[in-house]
Amino acid sequence: EAGVTQFPSHSVIEKGQTVTLRCDPISGHDNLYWYRRVMGKEIKFLLHFVKESKQDESGMPNNRFLAERTGGTYSTLKVQPAELEDSGVYFCASSQGDYTAQHFGDGTRLSIL
Amino acid sequence: EDQVTQSPEALRLQEGESSSLNCSYTVSGLRGLFWYRQDPGKGPEFLFTLYSAGEEKEKERLKATLTKKESFLHITAPKPEDSATYLCAVQAGLYGNKLVFGAGTILRVKS
Repeated sequence: EAGVTQFPSHSVIEKGQTVTLRCDPISGHDNLYWYRRVMGKEIKFLLHFVKESKQDESGMPNNRFLAERTGGTYSTLKVQPAELEDSGVYFCASSQGDYTAQHFGDGTRLSIL
Repeated sequence: EDQVTQSPEALRLQEGESSSLNCSYTVSGLRGLFWYRQDPGKGPEFLFTLYSAGEEKEKERLKATLTKKESFLHITAPKPEDSATYLCAVQAGLYGNKLVFGAGTILRVKS
């Protein structure tokens, strides 16, 4: 069974540009989550999808971040325009049920210059 | 606000030297406590879920326990391949699945 897949593994862009991160969850997992870790800090929750619906987006930092999950399969996280403080590692996770383990991808390392 | 504190920040052990990692939490209504292992450049790898005080889970050299205020990850006779960052996370509140993570404990096991 394939795990959670994230693309790209690393992205380097300049301040003001746009970047789109992609996450493919484990097949059959209705729950999909985005988290991020900025330098020296804990992993922080961004948002949670159940199928194609946003269940909880309380962790989204501002309106420069847009997450979508079309058709309830893969998800994208777009940052537009990127700012220096957006640098960090963005993790995607998926789970089968509400109280079950969340399985993480290897993350996308985002560097804003 | 839900908080998770892990200690120590870093731990160095000799191969075979058993020890414990601590995860203390302050939450409103714990629904689950999760332990993960993370290797450099990789995502967190799920180890255990604990749901209620008194619960214990074991996997190879690892054993996780839970009380009403903290969890311990006991490592028995560790090997160099156990070297990693160990993360604790909680799921709490009346609704929502988000995990609140601690900062992690960096474990180094020397042969």
